[in-house]
Amino acid sequence: GAVVSQHPSRVICKSGTSVKIECRSLDFQATTMFWYRQFPKQSLMLMATSNEGSKATYEQGVEKDKFLINHASLTLSTLTVTSAHPEDSSFYICSARPRGQETQYFGPGTRLLVL
Amino acid sequence: AQSVTQPDIHITVSEGASLELRCNYSYGATPYLFWYVQSPGQGLQLLLKYFSGDTLVQGIKGFEAEFKRSQSSFNLRKPSVHWSDAAEYFCAVYGQAGTALIFGKGTTLSVSS
Repeated sequence: GAVVSQHPSRVICKSGTSVKIECRSLDFQATTMFWYRQFPKQSLMLMATSNEGSKATYEQGVEKDKFLINHASLTLSTLTVTSAHPEDSSFYICSARPRGQETQYFGPGTRLLVL
Repeated sequence: AQSVTQPDIHITVSEGASLELRCNYSYGATPYLFWYVQSPGQGLQLLLKYFSGDTLVQGIKGFEAEFKRSQSSFNLRKPSVHWSDAAEYFCAVYGQAGTALIFGKGTTLSVSS
């Protein structure tokens, strides 16, 4: 149980385009989902916290207009990188927390490369 | 503010030898503590967690960790390392219910034959 999926696993796009990444909790309802960014050989940096049905809470320094987060249902959150640039290239990981639990379960990550 | 320190950036252990990865946290009350493992290019897998109760917790893949309040530590151990244990290990803490995880910088484990 407690499986989280992400799609796509890898994406290559041109500079200036937008990319959407999906995060799904497959066998549980997640009232809260989190989006992290990880640079090579570094730890995870929290970008934003997403609560179902409400606006996401962004960490300091994260541009909310560039990284659009939508948590439309209890099993799906999306991260859209708008007008992507090469510096947005990174590994993006989501996690989900089941209702009533404190443990977070992580997706397999999405590798974004912006050319 | 809560923080997590993993003092060792890289550790190499011989296959079959024991392992201990260090983790120190900073938080006033009793924290919720986690160890996750990440293989290259993959997401994070939960190894074990501590919320309360017995300070020695057992996890998956033969790992265990001990919460020591006096030392603000939550070190991860395994009695006999396998080559498949080579990965990145992250210690993390929740300070309060509802807040996000705070991660340490990770320890890279290499296993030599």
